[in-house]
Amino acid sequence: AQSVTQLDSHVSVSEGTPVLLRCNYSSSYSPSLFWYVQHPNKGLQLLLKYTSAATLVKGINGFEAEFKKSETSFHLTKPSAHMSDAAEYFCVVTDNKLIFGAGTRLAVHP
Amino acid sequence: DAGVTQSPTHLIKTRGQQVTLRCSPKSGHDTVSWYQQALGQGPQFIFQYYEEEERQRGNFPDRFSGHQFPNYSSELNVNALLLGDSALYLCASSPGQGLLSGANVLTFGAGSRLTVL
Repeated sequence: AQSVTQLDSHVSVSEGTPVLLRCNYSSSYSPSLFWYVQHPNKGLQLLLKYTSAATLVKGINGFEAEFKKSETSFHLTKPSAHMSDAAEYFCVVTDNKLIFGAGTRLAVHP
Repeated sequence: DAGVTQSPTHLIKTRGQQVTLRCSPKSGHDTVSWYQQALGQGPQFIFQYYEEEERQRGNFPDRFSGHQFPNYSSELNVNALLLGDSALYLCASSPGQGLLSGANVLTFGAGSRLTVL
């Protein structure tokens, strides 16, 4: 069965510093992987997706993620955090439906 | 272009009651999926509708049922509400053949927050 594990429930960074949100996946075949962001009172928004093309995937708002099969990881990064990045982030794998991780809450401090 | 719209945004029910949540998919989308997001957790798949039929179902009891109408809108019904049904219920729509592939990315609504007292 497909699954994802988000290694940190909370991450706190200072504005302007790099962001790293970690995700490991479990899949019996080559998966499709996503990162979604959820701001309060707003719908889940797709940040980026990996579908077996380039292993380094660029998304919206300066985020990117790298698919590493040998490490079964799909970590999300951003070079410089902005206050508006504070939100809940979900790593997701597909299995004819979306299977979400438990989420990582990102806090950004001035 | 309107995205996915859900109603109501908030509602409060008591144990044992029944609730109906509604969803209008994004224009051009014909498949609707429902997810339950309990507080502090990631969303969990309830079921998916395509061509007015339930195509897939997650690990939820029969108290959870749904419907899709000819205009692709959908309803989620929950009977005999339990305290544990308190959650944010998310509707998502997608284009395609009713099967979610990597290319068929879901568009989510903002959700209906259900509180069961």
